[in-house]
Amino acid sequence: EAQVTQNPRYLITVTGKKLTVTCSQNMNHEYMSWYRQDPGLGLRQIYYSMNVEVTDKGDVPEGYKVSRKEKRNFPLILESPSPNQTSLYFCASSLTSSTAGELFFGEGSRLTVL
Amino acid sequence: QKEVEQDPGPLSVPEGAIVSLNCTYSNSAFQYFMWYRQYSRKGPELLMYTYSSGNKEDGRFTAQVDKSSKYISLFIRDSQPSDSATYLCAKKTGGGNKLTFGTGTQLKVEL
Repeated sequence: EAQVTQNPRYLITVTGKKLTVTCSQNMNHEYMSWYRQDPGLGLRQIYYSMNVEVTDKGDVPEGYKVSRKEKRNFPLILESPSPNQTSLYFCASSLTSSTAGELFFGEGSRLTVL
Repeated sequence: QKEVEQDPGPLSVPEGAIVSLNCTYSNSAFQYFMWYRQYSRKGPELLMYTYSSGNKEDGRFTAQVDKSSKYISLFIRDSQPSDSATYLCAKKTGGGNKLTFGTGTQLKVEL
């Protein structure tokens, strides 16, 4: 089954404790992206990757890191989480970076930072 | 001004009603528009995709773009309880596959 898989789905952590949210897709997609979803603000792009070893900032990259060492994986790293990073996170992918709009989303990872 | 604005609702309608969901956008570059549907505790899924202006129909769903007024609409005919979800409008706003999303309209279709 074609899918984007995120882990963990739910996480409660404390300020400053490094964490990684993994994202993996099995569709051989070139383009991958991370979004966060907050009430009243909608989905906002954090980082994106057009292909292996090619990443760039989205609209809200502060406090996050990413890497793309393999085509299928695109982990999101929070080096020192803070309470304002409490949010619902989505990983998404598309076949290419020019496949405008056809994003496939994971099920989401709900993160709470205390 | 936000690039894509959407009335958050919530919107509650009886089964069988015609539903109209609307967004406005500010930047005319990149005339690609989408509607995503998001069920509770799930990720968004692409529902409709249109390019430039005009209508696009898919079953009970019609997406409409009015470039002159910068308006994006989604119409749902014969609405069903299974249509209860949050609907997100989106627009391509940059190179690659950069999308800007509206905040979403929560729809509930009641029996």
